Amino acid sequence: GAVVSQHPSWVICKSGTSVKIECRSLDFQATTMFWYRQFPKQSLMLMATSNEGSKATYEQGVEKDKFLINHASLTLSTLTVTSAHPEDSSFYICSAIPTSPEIDNEQFFGPGTRLTVL
Amino acid sequence: GDSVTQMEGPVTLSEEAFLTINCTYTATGYPSLFWYVQYPGEGLQLLLKATKADDKGSNKGFEATYRKETTSFHLEKGSVQVSDSAVYFCALTPFSGGYNKLIFGAGTRLAVHP
Repeated sequence: GAVVSQHPSWVICKSGTSVKIECRSLDFQATTMFWYRQFPKQSLMLMATSNEGSKATYEQGVEKDKFLINHASLTLSTLTVTSAHPEDSSFYICSAIPTSPEIDNEQFFGPGTRLTVL
Repeated sequence: GDSVTQMEGPVTLSEEAFLTINCTYTATGYPSLFWYVQYPGEGLQLLLKATKADDKGSNKGFEATYRKETTSFHLEKGSVQVSDSAVYFCALTPFSGGYNKLIFGAGTRLAVHP
């Protein structure tokens, strides 16, 4: 149980286009999801906290108009990288916290999406 | 601000060797500490955790002890297997109890050879 999927697993796009990444909790509901970004050989950096039915909370230095987050249901959050540029190339990872309290607020992670902007 | 520093990899070991991956942290207050593991092609999985000083987390033969005096949470395993090959992340949440954002170390890749 507690599986999180991401789609696509990798994407290549041209500079200036927008890319949408989906994060789904497959067998549980998640009021809260997180989006992370990971550069090669570096830590996962939290970008934003996504709450179902409300606006996302962005970490300092993360452009909210650049990285649009929508958490429209209890099983789906999306991250849209708008007008992507090569510096946005990275590995994007989401995690979800089950709404059920029995799982002690543990975060469950998706496998990540590799974005390459040409 | 709060941060986590872990040893650089890759760490290459033979099967049945002893493993130590060092992790130190900087935090105000009393953080909770975690080790996550990422197997190839999969998402991060919680390996073990400790929520207060002197707590020992353990799982699948791995152990780590929350040392407040040295601000460390080193990961150890007495006898590694090829199946332990993965990337290991040390992490903390700034407050003990409840969920909060995770602050990760850079990750250490472990390769175990037969």
